[in-house]
Amino acid sequence: DAGVTQSPTHLIKTRGQQVTLRCSPISGHKSVSWYQQVLGQGPQFIFQYYEKEERGRGNFPDRFSARQFPNYSSELNVNALLLGDSALYLCASSGTSGRATEQYFGPGTRLTVT
Amino acid sequence: TQLLEQSPQFLSIQEGENLTVYCNSSSVFSSLQWYRQEPGEGPVLLVTVVTGGEVKKLKRLTFQFGDARKDSSLHITAAQPGDTGLYLCAGDHSGYALNFGKGTSLLVTP
Repeated sequence: DAGVTQSPTHLIKTRGQQVTLRCSPISGHKSVSWYQQVLGQGPQFIFQYYEKEERGRGNFPDRFSARQFPNYSSELNVNALLLGDSALYLCASSGTSGRATEQYFGPGTRLTVT
Repeated sequence: TQLLEQSPQFLSIQEGENLTVYCNSSSVFSSLQWYRQEPGEGPVLLVTVVTGGEVKKLKRLTFQFGDARKDSSLHITAAQPGDTGLYLCAGDHSGYALNFGKGTSLLVTP
């Protein structure tokens, strides 16, 4: 079975632009979480969606938004990009309960803001 | 906010040596996970520990969860170059969000 998939792999944007990142969870998983990993740091929690509802949100500005579709795939949107948004954006898929103990990560999308 | 402190930050050893990395917090976690991450890739789950005092073994890796569920350690016996990577601990106390440490970057040279 395929693991968590993310697209695109790499992305270069200009400050002020908007970006959409995509994630497909492991088959059968109903929850998707998004994390931001800045170079030299551990991942920071942004959002979790379970059964298409937002279950939790980390300490990120309103420029960050997300949604989950009926097929459980998810999109992360970031508006008005700042240089500090440059990071590896990770999507994690959770098992049927959606608990954090079952999170499996995708390869990430490397976003560079210039 | 990083609730988990990992030490050491960097570790460079030779093949065959043993090592221990630590993950400490002032918070109690319902569970704690260890991940290994290679450059440009997502973290790969190694183990989840749930019960205070729990010890789990994965081949040459031994994981321990502290009795108070605030700290954990990862011990690697006879390290190999394939063990090179960033080792991350992550704690779950909300039920849905993982709080990660900054990681321990391990380099094992032949």
